[in-house]
Amino acid sequence: QKEVEQDPGPLSVPEGAIVSLNCTYSNSAFQYFMWYRQYSRKGPELLMYTYSSGNKEDGRFTAQVDKSSKYISLFIRDSQPSDSATYLCASYNNNDMRFGAGTRLTVKP
Amino acid sequence: EAEVAQSPRYKITEKSQAVAFWCDPISGHATLYWYRQILGQGPELLVQFQDESVVDDSQLPKDRFSAERLKGVDSTLKIQPAELGDSAMYLCASSLGGHTEAFFGQGTRLTVV
Repeated sequence: QKEVEQDPGPLSVPEGAIVSLNCTYSNSAFQYFMWYRQYSRKGPELLMYTYSSGNKEDGRFTAQVDKSSKYISLFIRDSQPSDSATYLCASYNNNDMRFGAGTRLTVKP
Repeated sequence: EAEVAQSPRYKITEKSQAVAFWCDPISGHATLYWYRQILGQGPELLVQFQDESVVDDSQLPKDRFSAERLKGVDSTLKIQPAELGDSAMYLCASSLGGHTEAFFGQGTRLTVV
């Protein structure tokens, strides 16, 4: 079992839709939870991170962490074609850094 | 805008040959990471440097991989000999602090034939 599991998709939505991306993790020691966006043939770009449980909002993006269920979510409101990319979740603590496999998202105009 | 520079962007090599990748982090970033990302998977941390010292290389296949950051600035990752299974994107990242502040380079796409 991988330490961070993520549905690879692909996920296709119409422009303006609300997108929900999810991950689960197995190591209860993880304290930091991140979401990255990776465009094709580019390196990952950090979107946002959360420490421990709770919500964090940044513009159209909201990250949620539920440590009791070991569940990580990223919501994208009013999705745009420019949001089309692979979204990677990641968790870490004490230099133990683990990524999910990524979910490929396509937002159609 | 400051960015992490990596070269080459693409590399094709024959198995059993040696190959090297170079990374120049953002100026002032003491922490440098090398990751390997196999197609369809998330990045896997290979090695982490703090200045010129290795902090974590537990996932680095040391029989064929080596990494150095001699002056605590730029870094080189080497594979010798390359194997078919080494085909992947090799990503470098740098940070002032921890992983939550890391910036990634565009990566080197390695194909071993």
